[in-house]
Amino acid sequence: DQQVKQNSPSLSVQEGRISILNCDYTNSMFDYFLWYKKYPAEGPTFLISISSIKDKNEDGRFTVFLNKSAKHLSLHIVPSQPGDSAVYFCAASPTGFQKLVFGTGTRLLVSP
Amino acid sequence: GAVVSQHPSRVICKSGTSVKIECRSLDFQATTMFWYRQFPKQSLMLMATSNEGSKATYEQGVEKDKFLINHASLTLSTLTVTSAHPEDSSFYICSALRPLVGTQYFGPGTRLLVL
Repeated sequence: DQQVKQNSPSLSVQEGRISILNCDYTNSMFDYFLWYKKYPAEGPTFLISISSIKDKNEDGRFTVFLNKSAKHLSLHIVPSQPGDSAVYFCAASPTGFQKLVFGTGTRLLVSP
Repeated sequence: GAVVSQHPSRVICKSGTSVKIECRSLDFQATTMFWYRQFPKQSLMLMATSNEGSKATYEQGVEKDKFLINHASLTLSTLTVTSAHPEDSSFYICSALRPLVGTQYFGPGTRLLVL
């Protein structure tokens, strides 16, 4: 049972445009959501997070939106850069800071 | 610089042998660390939660006698894969939970290949 889903396995975007990565979840007990970036053969790197009391969190080029009623979150990267090319995982936690449930990842390719 | 390190980065072993993977928190003391495994093109799956000074908490379906976890200090957790089999071949990643901040910082991972 996949509680966190990333339905798009890959996304291609041109440099300078906006990248939108989507994530859906099924467990209404999740109250903390995170996005991680991962390169091959490396561990994930934390990007940005949002708690369930907010609907938006912004950090530089990265913005995460949370729609609790739809159980949906998205990560916007603008402007996209070639260095953003990686696999992006969304993750959710039911307790705030403990166990993370990861989605299957979306591979982002930003072309010059 | 790296906040969490793992050693070794890659290991090849024979079936039936045991392999120990170390996870170190370099910048902060971590009372809680986590162990994940990732199969190709799949998500990271939590195996167990490692708590300093106490027994690890294993996720459903993870054999605690096969995957031994020791968290003897606030900066070191080890995962030992005992009597490894080819199906244990995977990418193992640890993370350390930064206190107060509540964010998990991940190690670079260990690629295990069991022949």
